[in-house]
Amino acid sequence: GNSVTQMEGPVTLSEEAFLTINCTYTATGYPSLFWYVQYPGEGLQLLLKATKADDKGSNKGFEATYRKETTSFHLEKGSVQVSDSAVYFCALRRSAGSQGNLIFGKGTKLSVKP
Amino acid sequence: EAGVTQFPSHSVIEKGQTVTLRCDPISGHDNLYWYRRVMGKEIKFLLHFVKESKQDESGMPNNRFLAERTGGTYSTLKVQPAELEDSGVYFCASSRIAGGTDTQYFGPGTRLTVL
Repeated sequence: GNSVTQMEGPVTLSEEAFLTINCTYTATGYPSLFWYVQYPGEGLQLLLKATKADDKGSNKGFEATYRKETTSFHLEKGSVQVSDSAVYFCALRRSAGSQGNLIFGKGTKLSVKP
Repeated sequence: EAGVTQFPSHSVIEKGQTVTLRCDPISGHDNLYWYRRVMGKEIKFLLHFVKESKQDESGMPNNRFLAERTGGTYSTLKVQPAELEDSGVYFCASSRIAGGTDTQYFGPGTRLTVL
């Protein structure tokens, strides 16, 4: 079946460190891939997405590339800030259309220390 | 534009009681989704409405859960009777009916604790 596996947390980094959160998926067909972020006390927000192989999603200094050959969508940021502290969720949408439900990984909690 | 809102933000009930969660989607969004995150586990899909119709309810765990969306606006999710394993955070999301790069917008969630 369809599933998402992401790196277990929590992850603690110092400000300006490099961030990688690994995400791999299992899916039939050609899913769309997403990273959502949940800041403390808030709902999930879409961080970035990619809808086909080799697409790169980017936003707020974060990037992730849809790698079909390795079924991966790793999240990276070159220099994290304290304000990036949050829980990050990798997700896929299995439907070819826009209405399919999301399938999430377990989430990775990131804490950035000054 | 107001975002997705959910009520209540927290609910603590005893096993066997009934709880009703409410979600107000973004105005004009025909798609409404319910998800749940049990402690330490994945966020899991429960069901999907298109307007007032249930498009997909394959994620509903059992018949103690009842979701409605009368009139195609807000939705309610009732748990009756609640069990300990129902504890978790219940998220609602909405999106427009459109092809291509549709985005699901999430509410802040309702944290349900069943004692």
